Amino acid sequence: DAKTTQPTSMDCAEGRAANLPCNHSTISGNEYVYWYRQIHSQGPQYIIHGLKNNETNEMASLIITEDRKSSTLILPHATLRDTAVYYCIVRPPLSGGGADGLTFGKGTHLIIQP
Amino acid sequence: DSGVTQTPKHLITATGQRVTLRCSPRSGDLSVYWYQQSLDQGLQFLIQYYNGEERAKGNILERFSAQQFPDLHSELNLSSLELGDSALYFCASSVVPGAKKTQYFGPGTRLLVL
Repeated sequence: DAKTTQPTSMDCAEGRAANLPCNHSTISGNEYVYWYRQIHSQGPQYIIHGLKNNETNEMASLIITEDRKSSTLILPHATLRDTAVYYCIVRPPLSGGGADGLTFGKGTHLIIQP
Repeated sequence: DSGVTQTPKHLITATGQRVTLRCSPRSGDLSVYWYQQSLDQGLQFLIQYYNGEERAKGNILERFSAQQFPDLHSELNLSSLELGDSALYFCASSVVPGAKKTQYFGPGTRLLVL
């Protein structure tokens, strides 16, 4: 599986856009980029995913570089409730046995400052 | 609310004991995944089921086992418990396996082994 690298922690002011980077330089052409977040020991919450194109939903935007070696998750107007650990995950296509467990790294601890 | 339910929320037991954690997937989801989150190991994939059949194993100890029932709910059985088994246990579900299919996580069961 492609390895991801994320900063350990980041701060962002409330109301500003939070931009969380993720490096996945060994990603393959058919691997998806997924973002989850975990708020203080709650279950990981799905945010967004993409393959090649930029994606936007009600929670966030995902910008994937043209070479797909990195991506940025953008929370457009961060609130205090966005304080969480954000995980960037690269998902390969199904193997022959259908193994599909997610591989979580340490993620980025995003702290929204009032 | 992801639609995945887990019971119990908290469990306190003693070393050497056996416990069963229960997961109900989202309506219509055929795949169930179990994950363990401990302080020192982070979030780790344990085991995956699809439509009642075991599909893949991750870092699951031999003392742990799981099954998925015909109604698609799943149970994770932990036996001969050790202090180091204290952790958060999350269940996730998806419609079917595959990188295009999002896994949605439940709220977790917090297990404390004394």
